[in-house]
Amino acid sequence: GENVEQHPSTLSVQEGDSAVIKCTYSDSASNYFPWYKQELGKGPQLIIDIRSNVGEKKDQRIAVTLNKTAKHFSLHITETQPEDSAVYFCAASTNTGKLIFGQGTTLQVKP
Amino acid sequence: KAGVTQTPRYLIKTRGQQVTLSCSPISGHRSVSWYQQTPGQGLQFLFEYFSETQRNKGNFPGRFSGRQFSNSRSEMNVSTLELGDSALYLCASSSSLGAGKTEAFFGQGTRLTVV
Repeated sequence: GENVEQHPSTLSVQEGDSAVIKCTYSDSASNYFPWYKQELGKGPQLIIDIRSNVGEKKDQRIAVTLNKTAKHFSLHITETQPEDSAVYFCAASTNTGKLIFGQGTTLQVKP
Repeated sequence: KAGVTQTPRYLIKTRGQQVTLSCSPISGHRSVSWYQQTPGQGLQFLFEYFSETQRNKGNFPGRFSGRQFSNSRSEMNVSTLELGDSALYLCASSSSLGAGKTEAFFGQGTRLTVV
């Protein structure tokens, strides 16, 4: 069935370093791939997304890449800051409202 | 522009009871989806409503139901509560049908504890 695998489950980096989170999806019909950041006690916040007709998208320190052939997509955060510490979720969707989420990555940025 | 509003924020219920959660989407958004978040299962899709009709449903038992009103506000109901229903219930709104078409924005969630 539909599945999204996310790695790593935890990631600890020094402030200023880069962080990379990787996801793999199973449904070849998936065409939309959002990334969410969830802070303690809050709902997931959309930080960036990419559609299947694009290979890469960047927004300031955040970028997402998509490899449709390999069914991989990744989140890249450069120049990490302590406020980037949170749980990050990748997700995949077809044209329905159903988002299939990865299990989440807890990112810790050490000052 | 106000975001997605979920009420109440916290609920404590007893096994066997039923509960109703409410979600007001972003103004102008017509699609509302519900998700259950637990430490063990992560974020799982419950259902999606658009124009007062359920358009998509996840793999949850019939005890979980929902509805959408003409003003796009949505409610979800869980009957005969079980301990395993304890979770954060999240609502997401989109301007059109399907997360694949437009972005989905989440509310803060309702934390349900079943004792």
